[in-house]
Amino acid sequence: QLQLQESGPGLVKPSETLSLICTVTDDSLSNTNYYWGWIRQPPGKGLEWIGSLYYRGSAYYNPSLKSRVTISGDASKSQFSLKLTSVTAADTAVYYCARHLVRGWVFDYWGQGTLVTASS
Amino acid sequence: QSVLTQPPSVSGAPGQRVTISCSGSSSNIGAGYDLHWYQQFPGRAPKLLIYANTNRPSGVPDRFSASKSGTSASLAITGLQAEDEADYYCHSYDSSLRGSVFGGGTRLTVL
Repeated sequence: QLQLQESGPGLVKPSETLSLICTVTDDSLSNTNYYWGWIRQPPGKGLEWIGSLYYRGSAYYNPSLKSRVTISGDASKSQFSLKLTSVTAADTAVYYCARHLVRGWVFDYWGQGTLVTASS
Repeated sequence: QSVLTQPPSVSGAPGQRVTISCSGSSSNIGAGYDLHWYQQFPGRAPKLLIYANTNRPSGVPDRFSASKSGTSASLAITGLQAEDEADYYCHSYDSSLRGSVFGGGTRLTVL
Protein backbone atom coordinates (compact mmCIF):
# COMPACT_ATOMS: atom_id res chain seq x y z
CA GLN A 1 0.00 0.00 0.00
CA LEU A 2 1.53 3.31 -1.08
CA GLN A 3 2.31 5.65 1.78
CA LEU A 4 3.75 9.13 1.94
CA GLN A 5 5.14 10.63 5.14
CA GLU A 6 6.23 14.23 5.68
CA SER A 7 9.00 15.05 8.12
CA GLY A 8 10.82 18.18 9.21
CA PRO A 9 10.85 20.99 11.77
CA GLY A 10 7.50 22.20 13.02
CA LEU A 11 8.81 25.67 13.78
CA VAL A 12 10.75 27.99 11.50
CA LYS A 13 11.90 31.52 12.26
CA PRO A 14 10.80 34.33 9.95
CA SER A 15 13.27 35.02 7.12
CA GLU A 16 14.70 31.50 7.43
CA THR A 17 14.22 28.48 5.15
CA LEU A 18 11.50 25.88 5.61
CA SER A 19 12.73 22.38 4.73
CA LEU A 20 10.57 19.28 4.56
CA ILE A 21 11.10 15.74 3.31
CA CYS A 22 8.51 13.31 1.99
CA THR A 23 9.34 9.62 2.22
CA VAL A 24 7.52 7.35 -0.21
CA THR A 25 6.82 3.70 0.56
CA ASP A 26 5.77 1.15 -2.05
CA ASP A 27 6.39 3.25 -5.15
CA SER A 28 9.32 4.79 -6.93
CA LEU A 29 10.02 8.41 -7.74
CA SER A 30 11.10 7.04 -11.12
CA ASN A 31 7.57 5.91 -11.95
CA THR A 32 6.92 7.73 -15.21
CA ASN A 33 3.16 7.88 -14.63
CA TYR A 34 3.35 10.22 -11.67
CA TYR A 35 4.48 13.56 -10.37
CA TRP A 36 5.34 14.08 -6.71
CA GLY A 37 3.91 17.25 -5.27
CA TRP A 38 3.58 19.55 -2.30
CA ILE A 39 0.35 21.25 -1.24
CA ARG A 40 -0.22 23.46 1.76
CA GLN A 41 -3.21 24.58 3.79
CA PRO A 42 -3.05 27.58 6.14
CA PRO A 43 -5.09 27.13 9.32
CA GLY A 44 -8.79 27.43 8.54
CA LYS A 45 -8.16 28.05 4.83
CA GLY A 46 -8.14 26.17 1.55
CA LEU A 47 -5.59 24.14 -0.35
CA GLU A 48 -2.74 25.71 -2.31
CA TRP A 49 -0.54 23.80 -4.73
CA ILE A 50 3.13 24.60 -4.17
CA GLY A 51 4.83 22.57 -6.87
CA SER A 52 5.53 19.15 -8.35
CA LEU A 53 8.54 17.07 -9.37
CA TYR A 54 8.86 14.68 -12.28
CA TYR A 55 11.26 11.74 -12.22
CA ARG A 56 13.70 13.30 -14.64
CA GLY A 57 14.19 16.13 -12.22
CA SER A 58 11.97 18.67 -13.91
CA ALA A 59 9.86 20.67 -11.48
CA TYR A 60 6.81 22.86 -11.82
CA TYR A 61 6.02 25.59 -9.33
CA ASN A 62 3.10 27.79 -8.38
CA PRO A 63 4.00 31.16 -9.95
CA SER A 64 3.12 32.92 -6.70
CA LEU A 65 5.81 30.96 -4.84
CA LYS A 66 8.27 30.17 -7.62
CA SER A 67 10.93 32.65 -6.55
CA ARG A 68 11.19 31.03 -3.11
CA VAL A 69 10.58 27.32 -3.76
CA THR A 70 12.79 24.39 -4.71
CA ILE A 71 11.54 20.82 -4.98
CA SER A 72 14.05 18.04 -5.54
CA GLY A 73 14.16 14.26 -5.26
CA ASP A 74 16.42 11.36 -4.37
CA ALA A 75 15.04 8.25 -6.00
CA SER A 76 17.59 6.03 -4.25
CA LYS A 77 16.08 7.03 -0.91
CA SER A 78 12.49 7.28 -2.20
CA GLN A 79 12.38 10.81 -0.88
CA PHE A 80 11.58 14.21 -2.29
CA SER A 81 12.01 17.51 -0.55
CA LEU A 82 10.62 21.01 -0.31
CA LYS A 83 12.61 24.12 0.46
CA LEU A 84 10.86 27.46 0.91
CA THR A 85 13.08 30.45 1.57
CA SER A 86 12.46 33.73 3.40
CA VAL A 87 9.42 32.49 5.27
CA THR A 88 6.92 34.80 6.92
CA ALA A 89 3.91 34.21 9.14
CA ALA A 90 1.87 33.80 5.95
CA ASP A 91 3.72 30.55 5.28
CA THR A 92 2.31 28.96 8.44
CA ALA A 93 0.32 25.98 7.20
CA VAL A 94 -0.13 22.25 7.16
CA TYR A 95 2.14 20.97 4.40
CA TYR A 96 1.11 17.84 2.51
CA CYS A 97 3.09 15.75 0.09
CA ALA A 98 1.11 13.82 -2.49
CA ARG A 99 1.38 11.75 -5.62
CA HIS A 100 -0.44 12.83 -8.74
CA LEU A 101 -0.96 11.35 -12.14
CA VAL A 102 0.83 12.90 -15.09
CA ARG A 103 -2.43 12.53 -17.00
CA GLY A 104 -5.09 14.66 -15.40
CA TRP A 105 -2.96 15.82 -12.45
CA VAL A 106 -5.23 14.05 -9.96
CA PHE A 107 -3.76 13.68 -6.47
CA ASP A 108 -4.51 10.07 -5.60
CA TYR A 109 -2.37 9.53 -2.50
CA TRP A 110 -1.61 12.08 0.22
CA GLY A 111 0.61 12.16 3.26
CA GLN A 112 -0.99 12.91 6.61
CA GLY A 113 0.40 16.44 6.60
CA THR A 114 2.70 18.30 8.95
CA LEU A 115 2.09 21.68 10.56
CA VAL A 116 4.85 24.21 10.10
CA THR A 117 4.64 27.44 12.05
CA ALA A 118 6.69 30.47 11.07
CA SER A 119 7.32 32.36 14.27
CA SER A 120 10.17 33.77 16.31
CA GLN B 1 -8.98 34.46 -4.28
CA SER B 2 -9.03 30.95 -5.73
CA VAL B 3 -8.84 30.30 -9.47
CA LEU B 4 -11.77 27.89 -9.13
CA THR B 5 -14.84 29.31 -7.38
CA GLN B 6 -16.94 27.31 -4.93
CA PRO B 7 -19.66 28.41 -2.53
CA PRO B 8 -18.24 28.69 1.00
CA SER B 9 -20.97 26.55 2.49
CA VAL B 10 -23.96 24.37 1.69
CA SER B 11 -26.30 22.48 3.97
CA GLY B 12 -28.98 19.86 3.84
CA ALA B 13 -31.02 17.57 6.00
CA PRO B 14 -30.34 13.85 6.25
CA GLY B 15 -31.66 12.02 3.20
CA GLN B 16 -31.72 15.12 1.01
CA ARG B 17 -29.70 15.89 -2.11
CA VAL B 18 -27.17 18.69 -2.19
CA THR B 19 -24.95 20.02 -4.94
CA ILE B 20 -21.67 21.91 -4.79
CA SER B 21 -20.66 24.01 -7.77
CA CYS B 22 -17.18 24.75 -9.07
CA SER B 23 -16.71 27.55 -11.58
CA GLY B 24 -13.57 27.98 -13.63
CA SER B 25 -12.44 29.52 -16.89
CA SER B 26 -11.17 28.82 -20.38
CA SER B 27 -7.69 28.03 -19.07
CA ASN B 28 -8.77 25.19 -16.79
CA ILE B 29 -12.20 23.51 -16.80
CA GLY B 30 -13.22 25.19 -20.04
CA ALA B 31 -10.03 24.03 -21.76
CA GLY B 32 -11.06 20.44 -21.24
CA TYR B 33 -8.76 19.60 -18.35
CA ASP B 34 -10.06 17.00 -15.94
CA LEU B 35 -11.85 18.15 -12.81
CA HIS B 36 -11.42 16.28 -9.53
CA TRP B 37 -13.12 16.45 -6.15
CA TYR B 38 -11.68 15.82 -2.69
CA GLN B 39 -13.33 15.33 0.69
CA GLN B 40 -11.56 16.55 3.82
CA PHE B 41 -12.49 15.99 7.44
CA PRO B 42 -11.12 18.28 10.18
CA GLY B 43 -7.51 17.49 10.99
CA ARG B 44 -7.22 14.97 8.16
CA ALA B 45 -5.62 14.96 4.74
CA PRO B 46 -7.89 15.40 1.71
CA LYS B 47 -9.18 12.20 0.17
CA LEU B 48 -9.89 11.72 -3.51
CA LEU B 49 -13.64 11.53 -4.02
CA ILE B 50 -14.16 11.93 -7.78
CA TYR B 51 -11.51 11.90 -10.50
CA ALA B 52 -11.57 12.80 -14.18
CA ASN B 53 -14.89 14.62 -13.93
CA THR B 54 -17.22 11.73 -13.16
CA ASN B 55 -15.30 8.71 -11.85
CA ARG B 56 -15.44 7.35 -8.31
CA PRO B 57 -12.40 5.59 -6.82
CA SER B 58 -13.01 2.18 -5.34
CA GLY B 59 -14.81 2.46 -2.01
CA VAL B 60 -16.57 5.77 -2.65
CA PRO B 61 -20.34 5.31 -2.34
CA ASP B 62 -22.45 5.89 -5.43
CA ARG B 63 -24.33 8.57 -3.48
CA PHE B 64 -21.52 10.81 -4.72
CA SER B 65 -21.62 11.84 -8.37
CA ALA B 66 -20.25 14.69 -10.44
CA SER B 67 -20.59 16.36 -13.78
CA LYS B 68 -18.81 18.93 -15.89
CA SER B 69 -20.06 21.30 -18.56
CA GLY B 70 -18.34 24.23 -20.19
CA THR B 71 -16.37 26.14 -17.59
CA SER B 72 -18.21 24.66 -14.59
CA ALA B 73 -18.60 21.45 -12.70
CA SER B 74 -20.73 20.19 -9.85
CA LEU B 75 -20.66 17.54 -7.17
CA ALA B 76 -23.92 15.97 -6.07
CA ILE B 77 -24.51 14.03 -2.89
CA THR B 78 -27.77 12.14 -2.58
CA GLY B 79 -29.22 10.48 0.52
CA LEU B 80 -27.24 12.87 2.70
CA GLN B 81 -25.77 11.32 5.84
CA ALA B 82 -24.28 12.86 8.96
CA GLU B 83 -20.92 11.33 8.05
CA ASP B 84 -20.83 13.41 4.86
CA GLU B 85 -20.26 16.56 6.88
CA ALA B 86 -16.86 17.73 5.67
CA ASP B 87 -15.07 20.20 3.41
CA TYR B 88 -15.13 19.56 -0.34
CA TYR B 89 -12.59 20.88 -2.85
CA CYS B 90 -12.55 20.91 -6.63
CA HIS B 91 -9.22 20.73 -8.46
CA SER B 92 -7.97 21.02 -12.02
CA TYR B 93 -4.97 21.90 -14.13
CA ASP B 94 -4.60 25.44 -15.39
CA SER B 95 -2.70 26.11 -18.60
CA SER B 96 -2.05 29.77 -17.79
CA LEU B 97 -0.47 28.93 -14.44
CA ARG B 98 1.00 25.66 -15.75
CA GLY B 99 0.01 23.85 -12.62
CA SER B 100 -2.70 22.75 -10.26
CA VAL B 101 -5.50 24.99 -9.08
CA PHE B 102 -7.98 24.32 -6.30
CA GLY B 103 -11.33 25.76 -5.42
CA GLY B 104 -11.62 27.60 -2.14
CA GLY B 105 -13.52 24.72 -0.58
CA THR B 106 -17.13 24.22 0.47
CA ARG B 107 -18.15 23.30 4.00
CA LEU B 108 -21.07 20.85 3.95
CA THR B 109 -23.26 20.91 7.04
CA VAL B 110 -25.77 18.15 7.64
CA LEU B 111 -28.63 19.70 9.57
